[in-house]
Amino acid sequence: QKEVEQNSGPLSVPEGAIASLNCTYSDRGSQSFFWYRQYSGKSPELIMFIYSNGDKEDGRFTAQLNKASQYVSLLIRDSQPSDSATYLCAVNIAGYGGATNKLIFGTGTLLAVQP
Amino acid sequence: DADVTQTPRNRITKTGKRIMLECSQTKGHDRMYWYRQDPGLGLRLIYYSFDVKDINKGEISDGYSVSRQAQAKFSLSLESAIPNQTALYFCATRKGQGRGEQFFGPGTRLTVL
Repeated sequence: QKEVEQNSGPLSVPEGAIASLNCTYSDRGSQSFFWYRQYSGKSPELIMFIYSNGDKEDGRFTAQLNKASQYVSLLIRDSQPSDSATYLCAVNIAGYGGATNKLIFGTGTLLAVQP
Repeated sequence: DADVTQTPRNRITKTGKRIMLECSQTKGHDRMYWYRQDPGLGLRLIYYSFDVKDINKGEISDGYSVSRQAQAKFSLSLESAIPNQTALYFCATRKGQGRGEQFFGPGTRLTVL
């Protein structure tokens, strides 16, 4: 089982709709969770992070975390064509003595927002 | 602006050549990382460093070496490049305190013929 799993997509949504991106992780001791956006040929850009169960909202983005289910998601409201990109989920895995200094990345979900 | 820069941005080389990729940062972060990205495989960690005296192997360090010349500089070397090292390479930084968020440079596209 991969440590961080995402559906590769593509996930196609119409402009103005809500895009829902999902991620599961295997290390139950994981403490911090990140969402990166990556446009084709560009570097990953941090857009959200969450470390407590529940929802965290920032503008059109909402991150949701459920540690019991080992599940983290990203909702994008009012999706725009400019949101079309690959979204990477990253998990700061636990280690001896607490969180490690490494992130484990999923392979990403390609989001396509149709005008 | 505090930033992470990488040089070169693109490089084409031949099998067996030695290549160095450089990363510099003005963020003041003490932790630096090298990743490679391949289609379908995601980002994989090559090496990471917590300070100039601390170097650690990642999951795919074979065929690579690194040098942390200063807090702000972290270089990745391919001693004898081979075609399956063709990939997009990213440098990232992280401050010592915090929740673990990393910030990426623009990347180097390396092609080994």
